Amino acid sequence: NAGVTQTPKFRVLKTGQSMTLLCAQDMNHEYMYWYRQDPGMGLRLIHYSVGEGTTAKGEVPDGYNVSRLKKQNFLLGLESAAPSQTSVYFCASSYGSQSYGYTFGSGTRLTVV
Amino acid sequence: AQSVTQLDSQVPVFEEAPVELRCNYSSSVSVYLFWYVQYPNQGLQLLLKYLSGSTLVKGINGFEAEFNKSQTSFHLRKPSVHISDTAEYFCAVSDGGGYQKVTFGIGTKLQVIP
Repeated sequence: NAGVTQTPKFRVLKTGQSMTLLCAQDMNHEYMYWYRQDPGMGLRLIHYSVGEGTTAKGEVPDGYNVSRLKKQNFLLGLESAAPSQTSVYFCASSYGSQSYGYTFGSGTRLTVV
Repeated sequence: AQSVTQLDSQVPVFEEAPVELRCNYSSSVSVYLFWYVQYPNQGLQLLLKYLSGSTLVKGINGFEAEFNKSQTSFHLRKPSVHISDTAEYFCAVSDGGGYQKVTFGIGTKLQVIP
């Protein structure tokens, strides 16, 4: 039972490069989320999706794009990486109602140089 | 708007001693409250949650939390900690509406000293 799987686990990018982070869940969850975690700032929501084909902006969406073409996958793209995007990125999913809580992936540590 | 304040950024405690991690929240509506734990180099794991009913909530690994509406608090406690409890703990609040937006606190690092 894999839960939420994120790839890659680590990545180093040069400023201006682009990349895509993949999140896959096998729990048939409707809701999926992308967060970034920075020291002293907790988790901040980047984008989220309430179902296949739908996405919406969170608190800090600038510089990121997302897609949810399949229910089980949620992709996060960085169009032109900047050093300010150096962070740990977490994907999470939930069944629907928040009463179930979130299931998190193990994270992607991204460094932009 | 909802917010979460975790009052301590780091809490050192000796092994087998009790611990309390403090969390206060603000919200204009009824809330759901959560505690998550993050072990080093891992994702967050749900520890426990308060939805309604009994104000004392029991979670995994011997942790419990008490919802206090008048003080808008949801403190996490454990009567006797172990080395394996060393981790970062996040309090979170959700107003349960719309897309069930969840706001996380900045985390409290629990360091258990042998």
